[in-house]
Amino acid sequence: NFMLTQPHSVSESPGKTVTISCTRSSGSIASNYVQWYQQRPGSSPTTVIYEDDQRPSGVPERFSGSIDRSSNSASLTISGLKTEDEADYYCQSYDSSNPWVFGGGTKLTVL
Amino acid sequence: EVQVLESGGGLVQPGGSLRLSCAASGFTFSNYAMNWVRQAPGKGLEWVSAVSGGGGSTYYADSVKGHFTISRDNSKNTLYLQMNSLRAEDTAIYYCAKSSCSTSCYSVIDYWGLGTLVTVSS
Repeated sequence: NFMLTQPHSVSESPGKTVTISCTRSSGSIASNYVQWYQQRPGSSPTTVIYEDDQRPSGVPERFSGSIDRSSNSASLTISGLKTEDEADYYCQSYDSSNPWVFGGGTKLTVL
Repeated sequence: EVQVLESGGGLVQPGGSLRLSCAASGFTFSNYAMNWVRQAPGKGLEWVSAVSGGGGSTYYADSVKGHFTISRDNSKNTLYLQMNSLRAEDTAIYYCAKSSCSTSCYSVIDYWGLGTLVTVSS
């Protein structure tokens, strides 16, 4: 079994750019797709990135995803931060024996 | 526009049964795997079950194996979750979620529903 590790919290000012990392403990980050889910308090989750770098329809281009084989991690980058981006962000991946491996979540504060 | 809409949640006694439904629209339903993911009060997301696009393959979390059954009716664009022998720890919001894949990467979710609350209590 592998784990996904995220920073507990990040904060940045409106209009700036923030990057949230998600590090895979074992096995290659490139072996299986990584997804990023946004969840605001009291709301259902939404997908902002799937299949490493794909945005669902309706997600602004300000959201982008990437993977880095050298650090075995995935990243979610949000540019032009808005107060509405304040939420918890979770990375998720899988492998052949674990259909759902979830990061611990990162609380993004836009202040 | 992709939409998935859950229904069927409610209050049920321990040991009881409930069937959740999820009506899908805005995409070719039979081409994609579908998932149920739940979230207990104040807890994180927990994947529950998935079914392949054609319905021939099903997958379950160990916590629900043997007492939940996932199915789909592609003629009605509807996903189901039959929940039997319900326990207090099954209390959660249940989300229907569309996969971006048909089979192998079924837990890659691109769209979520708003959820339906299931409360198991006497």
